[in-house]
Amino acid sequence: GAVVSQHPSWVICKSGTSVKIECRSLDFQATTMFWYRQFPKQSLMLMATSNEGSKATYEQGVEKDKFLINHASLTLSTLTVTSAHPEDSSFYICSAPSGGAHQPQHFGDGTRLSIL
Amino acid sequence: QQQVKQSPQSLIVQKGGISIINCAYENTAFDYFPWYQQFPGKGPALLIAIRPDVSEKKEGRFTISFNKSAKQFSLHIMDSQPGDSATYFCAALNQGGKLIFGQGTELSVKP
Repeated sequence: GAVVSQHPSWVICKSGTSVKIECRSLDFQATTMFWYRQFPKQSLMLMATSNEGSKATYEQGVEKDKFLINHASLTLSTLTVTSAHPEDSSFYICSAPSGGAHQPQHFGDGTRLSIL
Repeated sequence: QQQVKQSPQSLIVQKGGISIINCAYENTAFDYFPWYQQFPGKGPALLIAIRPDVSEKKEGRFTISFNKSAKQFSLHIMDSQPGDSATYFCAALNQGGKLIFGQGTELSVKP
């Protein structure tokens, strides 16, 4: 079945550091990928839509200069949290639809980001 | 308009019982309704999904019931097992291809 791989699974770093998270579709191509943020015991909040070959589109209230998204190929999207601070600590999850924009979305296993 | 409301927030069921989780939506343009299962520290996994032209879909112990006129849909887990203990999210796909998630239900199946 469709698999989405996310790396790293867990990262701890100091305040002010920039952190890059990778999201790969392993057995299908994805022109669109989605990035979510999830706080403990809460639902997934969509942050942005990553578009291959064009700029990402961000949800209202999400700082695009803080959360840089690059979708350089049909199988890879990256999220960089720039100058991370403790309030950026969260669980970040990516997803990709396996058959196009209106097909089932498959999720990565998430990245636990802890900023000290 | 873009919200999906999910209940209950938490659910405790005995092993072998039926777990029922309900969701309601307002936007009639939603055209795909998946359910996801999430274990702690993991991403959501697609469990089962339905389109609005179907009233029921069954896959193994999991069944979605869909009431288009009431704009409600539900997940039934038959013969619930301790391994089913997880957080379940309903979702709806909007016309922009974005998933709108419910608030989640934490299911605990007691042995």
